[in-house]
Amino acid sequence: AQRVTQPEKLLSVFKGAPVELKCNYSYSGSPELFWYVQYSRQRLQLLLRHISRESIKGFTADLNKGETSFHLKKPFAQEEDSAMYYCALSDNNAGNMLTFGGGTRLMVKP
Amino acid sequence: DVKVTQSSRYLVKRTGEKVFLECVQDMDHENMFWYRQDPGLGLRLIYFSYDVKMKEKGDIPEGYSVSREKKERFSLILESASTNQTSMYLCASSLDRSYSYEQYFGPGTRLTVT
Repeated sequence: AQRVTQPEKLLSVFKGAPVELKCNYSYSGSPELFWYVQYSRQRLQLLLRHISRESIKGFTADLNKGETSFHLKKPFAQEEDSAMYYCALSDNNAGNMLTFGGGTRLMVKP
Repeated sequence: DVKVTQSSRYLVKRTGEKVFLECVQDMDHENMFWYRQDPGLGLRLIYFSYDVKMKEKGDIPEGYSVSREKKERFSLILESASTNQTSMYLCASSLDRSYSYEQYFGPGTRLTVT
């Protein structure tokens, strides 16, 4: 069965510092990976997906199949990046089911 | 914009009560999902549905059931609420069964069972 692990429950950085939120997965097939974000008092929403290879709000994430990782990175954190971040894996054999990691709370201090 | 709405933001129920959580989406999505969100555990899938009257168990279906009589509405039912079902419940929908489609989430219902 697939599994998504986010080793850090809380990550605290200063504004302007680089950020890396870690995500590791276990899956036997060809996964699709996502990052979802939940800002305070807002609903959970998609931040980015690996197949798009895009940068959203300055965040990027590269799928590393050798290390089975999909870490989320941003070179310069902003206070508005403070939120709960979830890594998720979609099983292409199970029709759009998502398996989520435990989440990492990012706090960006001024 | 996709809109996923949930019937209540906050709900307080007593142990043993039957609880209904309603979710409605307005974009003609085929898939609908119910998750519970707990600190440190992330989101865990309770049930999902690919079509009207279709339902599939997720990772933690025990103590829950669902109903999908209309495409836009997906209900989560707690037959006999227990204190360990105190949680945030999130509903989501997606366009179809393609695994790459984005899921759109509702605002959540915080259920407290006393």
